[in-house]
Amino acid sequence: SQQGEEDPQALSIQEGENATMNCSYKTSINNLQWYRQNSGRGLVHLILIRSNEREKHSGRLRVTLDTSKKSSSLLITASRAADTASYFCATVAATGTASKLTFGTGTRLQVTL
Amino acid sequence: KAGVTQTPRYLIKTRGQQVTLSCSPISGHRSVSWYQQTPGQGLQFLFEYFSETQRNKGNFPGRFSGRQFSNSRSEMNVSTLELGDSALYLCASSSSAAWSYEQYFGPGTRLTVT
Repeated sequence: SQQGEEDPQALSIQEGENATMNCSYKTSINNLQWYRQNSGRGLVHLILIRSNEREKHSGRLRVTLDTSKKSSSLLITASRAADTASYFCATVAATGTASKLTFGTGTRLQVTL
Repeated sequence: KAGVTQTPRYLIKTRGQQVTLSCSPISGHRSVSWYQQTPGQGLQFLFEYFSETQRNKGNFPGRFSGRQFSNSRSEMNVSTLELGDSALYLCASSSSAAWSYEQYFGPGTRLTVT
């Protein structure tokens, strides 16, 4: 079963605007990761944030984590048409195996010219 | 370094048949995980293999099984296919045992059961 819920389910913005996606989860985590999926293909790892971190940056990506609220957000700044994809958060539980990811429901991002 | 490869990419099977999907991880990666993606249930963890041993298993019926070979290549098998098994099956590899969290995904095998 999926642990995370993502909000919004779909987001449409214009190129150059910022896109923010939110993820909520249910259990204690070791870390939270964000992945991108283009049109039914494999997932690409974007960024990982550990449970003791609050914010992390990678290029145009900014991720925040609030473990007290069990939530995370992904901000993509200055979006491009190539950012059009589905974005998933995935958690690794605080206990258990590192390789088991529990995915959220995903946000479909459409960036138009 | 070559990425994760999955074969075949597309497969059409009839209800009641069985199917075997293959995954070759990134060279040097010893952990291989399998996920099922459907529009209704999203991405769900099937199982994970590490050094030829199943280390973790999701909540799927026994019709779903897998194995890993000494070269880390993995196969998953689904027996007695049902219409609901139609999905994108994704394989992911990661580099080491406990503390390597980033997973590298293959392009997936799209299975259609008719």
